[in-house]
Amino acid sequence: KQEVTQIPAALSVPEGENLVLNCSFTDSAIYNLQWFRQDPGKGLTSLLLIQSSQREQTSGRLNASLDKSSGRSTLYIAASQPGDSATYLCAVLSNDYKLSFGAGTTVTVRA
Amino acid sequence: DGGITQSPKYLFRKEGQNVTLSCEQNLNHDAMYWYRQDPGQGLRLIYYSQIVNDFQKGDIAEGYSVSREKKESFPLTVTSAQKNPTAFYLCASSVGLYEKLFFGSGTQLSVL
Repeated sequence: KQEVTQIPAALSVPEGENLVLNCSFTDSAIYNLQWFRQDPGKGLTSLLLIQSSQREQTSGRLNASLDKSSGRSTLYIAASQPGDSATYLCAVLSNDYKLSFGAGTTVTVRA
Repeated sequence: DGGITQSPKYLFRKEGQNVTLSCEQNLNHDAMYWYRQDPGQGLRLIYYSQIVNDFQKGDIAEGYSVSREKKESFPLTVTSAQKNPTAFYLCASSVGLYEKLFFGSGTQLSVL
């Protein structure tokens, strides 16, 4: 069974600092990995989707890398802003077509 | 605007009562999903549907039921058999199964 872990559960950084969020998974047989953002009491918004054949995806200040063999993905957010405060979740689609979510990392960017 | 609409935003259930959560999408997506989110845990799949008039159980289907009579609509009923229904419920859709997911804004269900 795929296990997805996000550590730390929460982090707080000053505005302008780069954010590094980690996602690890136990089974490397995956189709893709997605990163989502969730604001309090709201639904999830897809940020980036990385196919298993890709090493990274970029969108604006966001960059996500994927190392399938080591079971890791990292989401980088450059020059963080208070508006980046949210919970970030990763989800892994395994080869058996099951989507497994991590519990998320809650980020606070201090002005 | 295209998107997914969930209603109501807050819902309260009495003991022994069935309640229905609404999910409507105008994205013309074939696949729709229901997830349950509990504090400190990842999302867990309740049911999903790839096409009209067809749906499959997810990991925690017991105590829940769904229907998919129209492409746009995928309502979830929380039955009295679900003994711990308090959670945040999220509906999602995608063009094809597990392609990029689009989520609604969620329904918070609480027990009176």
